[in-house]
Amino acid sequence: QKEVEQDPGPLSVPEGAIVSLNCTYSNSAFQYFMWYRQYSRKGPELLMYTYSSGNKEDGRFTAQVDKSSKYISLFIRDSQPSDSATYLCAMSDRGSTLGRLYFGRGTQLTVWP
Amino acid sequence: EAGVVQSPRYKIIEKKQPVAFWCNPISGHNTLYWYLQNLGQGPELLIRYENEEAVDDSQLPKDRFSAERLKGVDSTLKIQPAELGDSAVYLCASSRDQINNEQFFGPGTRLTVL
Repeated sequence: QKEVEQDPGPLSVPEGAIVSLNCTYSNSAFQYFMWYRQYSRKGPELLMYTYSSGNKEDGRFTAQVDKSSKYISLFIRDSQPSDSATYLCAMSDRGSTLGRLYFGRGTQLTVWP
Repeated sequence: EAGVVQSPRYKIIEKKQPVAFWCNPISGHNTLYWYLQNLGQGPELLIRYENEEAVDDSQLPKDRFSAERLKGVDSTLKIQPAELGDSAVYLCASSRDQINNEQFFGPGTRLTVL
């Protein structure tokens, strides 16, 4: 079992829809949680960065972390065709391996006009 | 602010040949990472540098892979000899330091081994 599990999709939604993406993890030591967006043939781009539990909002994007359930989510409101990409969750623990990111396999999202 | 620069963007080689990838991190970022990304998978860490010191290379296949970061700025990742299974995207990332580990990625080098 991988440390981070993420449904690869694909997920296809109409423009304007609310998108929900999520990941589960097994390592209770994870403290830092991130969402990356990766366009085809590009490197991952950091979208959201949160520490420990709670919510964080940035424009149309909201990240949620539930450490008790080992579950994180990314919500995209008013989705746009330009949001079409692969979304990767990533997380990191503290201690000697601080800095190593453990990634999910990514969810491929298509937003159609 | 310029992003992480990688070259080449694409590389096609025959198996058993050597190959090298180059990365220049964001200016002022002390921590540099090399990741491997297979098709349909998330990136997996190969090696992490703090300045010129490799502080986490436990995932680097040392029989054929090597890396260096002389002077603690740009870095080179080498494979010798390459195998068919090495076909993947090699990503470089950097962060300001290991405490503030917001990592910023380069575009990657797509390697095809024939």
